[in-house]
Amino acid sequence: DVKVTQSSRYLVKRTGEKVFLECVQDMDHENMFWYRQDPGLGLRLIYFSYDVKMKEKGDIPEGYSVSREKKERFSLILESASTNQTSMYLCASSSGSDIQYFGAGTRLSVL
Amino acid sequence: AQSVTQPDIHITVSEGASLELRCNYSYGATPYLFWYVQSPGQGLQLLLKYFSGDTLVQGIKGFEAEFKRSQSSFNLRKPSVHWSDAAEYFCAVAYYSSASKIIFGSGTRLSIRP
Repeated sequence: DVKVTQSSRYLVKRTGEKVFLECVQDMDHENMFWYRQDPGLGLRLIYFSYDVKMKEKGDIPEGYSVSREKKERFSLILESASTNQTSMYLCASSSGSDIQYFGAGTRLSVL
Repeated sequence: AQSVTQPDIHITVSEGASLELRCNYSYGATPYLFWYVQSPGQGLQLLLKYFSGDTLVQGIKGFEAEFKRSQSSFNLRKPSVHWSDAAEYFCAVAYYSSASKIIFGSGTRLSIRP
């Protein structure tokens, strides 16, 4: 069965902290994505990666970076967390132009 | 610019009633089309997809959707809703030129009246 695992369901951090959100997929997918989800705004793409060590900016990359050292793992990094980054973060993976499979999400609160 | 519009933010229907959730997209060519569902506190699960062929597609949980090119629409339907269908529903589109990227609508929250 398809599986995308996000390391934390809930996370509470302080302003200015460096935050790592981890995502692992077991389907050998080449594409991986990070979205943030806010009420009334749907899902907005932060970054995506179509291969190891490759990354592209999505629609809202400011304040975020990513790392993809291995095919199965895609990390989202908040270099200096701010309160406006409080949100639900969703990771997804896909193969080619096929559907995206999503993790359960990480609800991040920045205090 | 490519976009997806779900005009209804929140819909309430009675259990057993029929349902239609609206979705419109803007793009010149034929896109890939998806409907996802998100239960509270969960990630997104694919309900159905349209890539080509028959414009009426069947999905899981008794849902179907119809692609209408002339109206740039991909509305989701279910003949009889169940209380467990209460969730948020997202329409999404992907394009041949960038088929790995998907654009999501803002979502429609569905509530079920007992």
